[in-house]
Amino acid sequence: GDSVTQMEGPVTLSEEAFLTINCTYTATGYPSLFWYVQYPGEGLQLLLKATKADDKGSNKGFEATYRKETTSFHLEKGSVQVSDSAVYFCALSEDAGNNRKLIWGLGTSLAVNP
Amino acid sequence: GAVVSQHPSWVICKSGTSVKIECRSLDFQATTMFWYRQFPKQSLMLMATSNEGSKATYEQGVEKDKFLINHASLTLSTLTVTSAHPEDSSFYICSAARTGFLTYEQYFGPGTRLTVT
Repeated sequence: GDSVTQMEGPVTLSEEAFLTINCTYTATGYPSLFWYVQYPGEGLQLLLKATKADDKGSNKGFEATYRKETTSFHLEKGSVQVSDSAVYFCALSEDAGNNRKLIWGLGTSLAVNP
Repeated sequence: GAVVSQHPSWVICKSGTSVKIECRSLDFQATTMFWYRQFPKQSLMLMATSNEGSKATYEQGVEKDKFLINHASLTLSTLTVTSAHPEDSSFYICSAARTGFLTYEQYFGPGTRLTVT
């Protein structure tokens, strides 16, 4: 069945460092891909998404490109801030374009130190 | 907009008792809500899909008599863990689906930590 694999955390970075959180997937069809973020004490929030190959999702300085050839959707940010400390989840949905039925990765905890 | 709340945020109960968790969409109506369970260091597991005015649809392996779901209004769904046991201790997360013309988005609550002693 479909699955999502993301790098284990925790990831600890200094402020202004470059961030990459790896995410790869297996799917039978052409899924939509998502990154969610969970700040301490808050609910999961959609960070960005991509619905087809070569699409790039971006939001709040974060980017991820849907790479069909490598079945990947790595999350990147050029310069992290302390406020980016959170848990990041990669997810996919086979339901075209939306997040009706999500398959989740394990989550990667990010801590950014000043 | 699109805020989903859960109550309580954490609860401790004794083995054999029942616990009810509420999920509310505060600023939109949701015909569909979802209940997830998250174990430490594991991904979210969808337990059931709750549809307003009808019976919930449970995922394979989830005991419907154990986890009672009621979606009595367009803004409220409840999950009742009946005769709770320590293995039911977990983090429970709900989400509510907001739909529009050609759009569909799930919004998540902050979760409820259940500890059964």
